[in-house]
Amino acid sequence: GIQVEQSPPDLILQEGANSTLRCNFSDSVNNLQWFHQNPWGQLINLFYIPSGTKQNGRLSATTVATERYSLLYISSSQTTDSGVYFCAVIGFVGDDTGKLIFGQGTTLQVKP
Amino acid sequence: DGGITQSPKYLFRKEGQNVTLSCEQNLNHDAMYWYRQDPGQGLRLIYYSQIVNDFQKGDIAEGYSVSREKKESFPLTVTSAQKNPTAFYLCASSSQSAGAGEAFFGQGTRLTVV
Repeated sequence: GIQVEQSPPDLILQEGANSTLRCNFSDSVNNLQWFHQNPWGQLINLFYIPSGTKQNGRLSATTVATERYSLLYISSSQTTDSGVYFCAVIGFVGDDTGKLIFGQGTTLQVKP
Repeated sequence: DGGITQSPKYLFRKEGQNVTLSCEQNLNHDAMYWYRQDPGQGLRLIYYSQIVNDFQKGDIAEGYSVSREKKESFPLTVTSAQKNPTAFYLCASSSQSAGAGEAFFGQGTRLTVV
């Protein structure tokens, strides 16, 4: 089945720094999303981005579907950005059809 | 408001008892999913359903059961066969139009078995 790998697994930043999180996937996908899990466990939708580039405030994301990766950029990080960032894909071939598959996440800690 | 509702938020059960977690959505989504998350870990897929009256096993289906009798509802039963049921359970739905669609999550249910 499709493998989703995120890097780095852990990241510590000083407030105000920029960062790039990466998501690699092993096969063609129909869907790619980025989520932020807050300290209460809630998954917040950041981007739905099967291809191309999107921006939302200090966050932006780029997916290059032909090369099977996506990047999440966080600029001018704030302590409220802390938490776990997940990418997830939906397969459309064989046993992965319709399956929403998650990477293991990147745990971000932003220090004041 | 449109969204996904999981209930209850916290659930305590005695070992050996079956327990059912509720997940309801009013987004008119075709696909629904159940995930389990253990402390400090990622999300593992338990079951998913792409259409009413049909569902597929995910990666960790043993000890769990589901039903999909209505489009808006996808309850998960944690049976006594599940060896380690204490965990955070998350439900999601997506439109799956043309094979893809943005997924949204409920707020989760924390199950503790004592």
